[in-house]
Amino acid sequence: EVQLVQSGAEVKKPGESLKISCKGSGYSFISYWIGWVRQMPGKGLEWMGIIYPGDSDTRYSPSFQGQVTISADKSISTAYLQWSSLKASDTAIYYCARVASITYWYFDLWGRGTLVTVSS
Amino acid sequence: DIQMTQSPSSLSASVGDRVTITCRASQGISYYLAWYQQRPGRVPKLLIYGASTLQSGVPSRFSGSGSGTDFTLTISSLQPEDVATYYCQKYNSAPLTFGGGTKVEIK
Repeated sequence: EVQLVQSGAEVKKPGESLKISCKGSGYSFISYWIGWVRQMPGKGLEWMGIIYPGDSDTRYSPSFQGQVTISADKSISTAYLQWSSLKASDTAIYYCARVASITYWYFDLWGRGTLVTVSS
Repeated sequence: DIQMTQSPSSLSASVGDRVTITCRASQGISYYLAWYQQRPGRVPKLLIYGASTLQSGVPSRFSGSGSGTDFTLTISSLQPEDVATYYCQKYNSAPLTFGGGTKVEIK
């Protein structure tokens, strides 16, 4: 089955670091860009960035550049989103999603989301 | 960067009504526009790509049109299961910006 499996919910304190994951299966992981999308409580979808696992080429939204790091380990078909110092405003659901093709960058497959709660 | 503006932000319609949602890009994006549906508490789902191509498995009551800067998503006959928030997304180049969303409810 073609799917993206995300890591479980996290509860963290402000200032802590965090790395969440997204494992692809059922398809050639290195051949498709993977993106990350934030959804803050009760709000809309925000595109954070994408990575090409084949060569780790990464593009960030200007809104998230420098705030998070997107990476991938192609040997285990897993993409990551990490923070070095969390803030309360990072509380959100984070979705990973597969980009449909090299040429057409819409998302055709979504993970179930990882809820990140940052609270003191 | 190109901004994506959806209207209305919410709407209420009766079962069987024709519903139209618009999405406007601040610059031309050709046909590089996708629509997603997010039902309450659920994961977003791709409905339409290429402005008008229906994703496999999506009911034919959904349709998309437009190119350049102005796009529409139409539900020809609203069903109870269509209660959701709908998002457009540009994908001609990064950043792959989403619109602000349109919440559709049943009257």
